[in-house]
Amino acid sequence: GENVEQHPSTLSVQEGDSAVIKCTYSDSASNYFPWYKQELGKGPQLIIDIRSNVGEKKDQRIAVTLNKTAKHFSLHITETQPEDSAVYFCAASLMDSNYQLIWGAGTKLIIKP
Amino acid sequence: GAVVSQHPSRVICKSGTSVKIECRSLDFQATTMFWYRQFPKQSLMLMATSNEGSKATYEQGVEKDKFLINHASLTLSTLTVTSAHPEDSSFYICSAMRAEAFFGQGTRLTVV
Repeated sequence: GENVEQHPSTLSVQEGDSAVIKCTYSDSASNYFPWYKQELGKGPQLIIDIRSNVGEKKDQRIAVTLNKTAKHFSLHITETQPEDSAVYFCAASLMDSNYQLIWGAGTKLIIKP
Repeated sequence: GAVVSQHPSRVICKSGTSVKIECRSLDFQATTMFWYRQFPKQSLMLMATSNEGSKATYEQGVEKDKFLINHASLTLSTLTVTSAHPEDSSFYICSAMRAEAFFGQGTRLTVV
């Protein structure tokens, strides 16, 4: 089955700098890759996603890149702000009738003022 | 975007009692909902897939008689933790799919 690895487990960056979180997946059939932000005591919130038919997607300060050949995808946050501090999870899924997400272990992002 | 509402957000119960958690899709119909459990500083662990009108599909190692799932309508799934014990204390999260996964706010269960 699918396996998703996420690195790093903790990332500390200076406010205003960029942050990059990377994930690899094992099942080449996976075709949907979302990223979630989870704040303490809350459920995950989708921040960006990408489907396997594109290599990059951007939404303001957030971007995701996908390399299908290497089976890895990355989250890029530019001009980081204190409110970006949270735990970020990547996931992979085969968008069939099940939509089951396979989750990465999470990255705790700390934005230093 | 779509909204998934989970209730209650926090619950404290005594050992041996049962607790019901509700997950509602407020503005769309969800034939499939997912229930997760999350321990501190860990990722989400899928417990079961809830299917409207049929039995839930449980992941390996999850006791179906302990974690009862009912998906009686297209907008409501419930998770009942039966005969709760302190080790059942955790953060439980539901999600429903509509092109993407929408998550509830989570339920912090503490069994004392």
